[in-house]
Amino acid sequence: GQQVMQIPQYQHVQEGEDFTTYCNSSTTLSNIQWYKQRPGGHPVFLIQLVKSGEVKKQKRLTFQFGEAKKNSSLHITATQTTDVGTYFCAGFSNSGYALNFGKGTSLLVTP
Amino acid sequence: DAGITQSPRYKITETGRQVTLMCHQTWSHSYMFWYRQDLGHGLRLIYYSAAADITDKGEVPDGYVVSRSKTENFPLTLESATRSQTSVYFCASSDGGRITEAFFGQGTRLTVV
Repeated sequence: GQQVMQIPQYQHVQEGEDFTTYCNSSTTLSNIQWYKQRPGGHPVFLIQLVKSGEVKKQKRLTFQFGEAKKNSSLHITATQTTDVGTYFCAGFSNSGYALNFGKGTSLLVTP
Repeated sequence: DAGITQSPRYKITETGRQVTLMCHQTWSHSYMFWYRQDLGHGLRLIYYSAAADITDKGEVPDGYVVSRSKTENFPLTLESATRSQTSVYFCASSDGGRITEAFFGQGTRLTVV
């Protein structure tokens, strides 16, 4: 079945540094979603990418979907302590409506 | 607006006992999901449902049972709890499945001793 892999597993940065997490799928994705989970919280939807090569921005966050629709990335410019948390990518399973999540990248930002 | 709620938030149970985790959503979303979250494994899908009376197994269904007699409720039952089922369980729902976001509950932290 489809597997979604994410790297790195952990990232520790100084406040102000940039951060990138990468997501790769074993199969072509119809779309990809990104979620953020704050420590002790629940996953919260950030964005969905649908088109090949799509790039979307949300303030300091930039999301990209690969041309082959098998990989994606999330880049945060000038991290802040509020960016702390775990970032997950997710693609739809073979059923078409259940999400398969990557293992996530835990971001720690120190001031 | 209540959204999606899980109960209990915390539960300690003994090995071999049956325990049910509740999930209730007020949006009338068609799709509902159960995930477990463990360190190093991320979110793994246990069971999911496309509508009332329709359920399917996810990646890690063994030892779990679900039902969906009403659209708004999707309880998860551990028939005979084991220590390996100690985890944080998240329920989620969505209204369109393919193009829409999943909304997660606050989670239930289950400890099996």
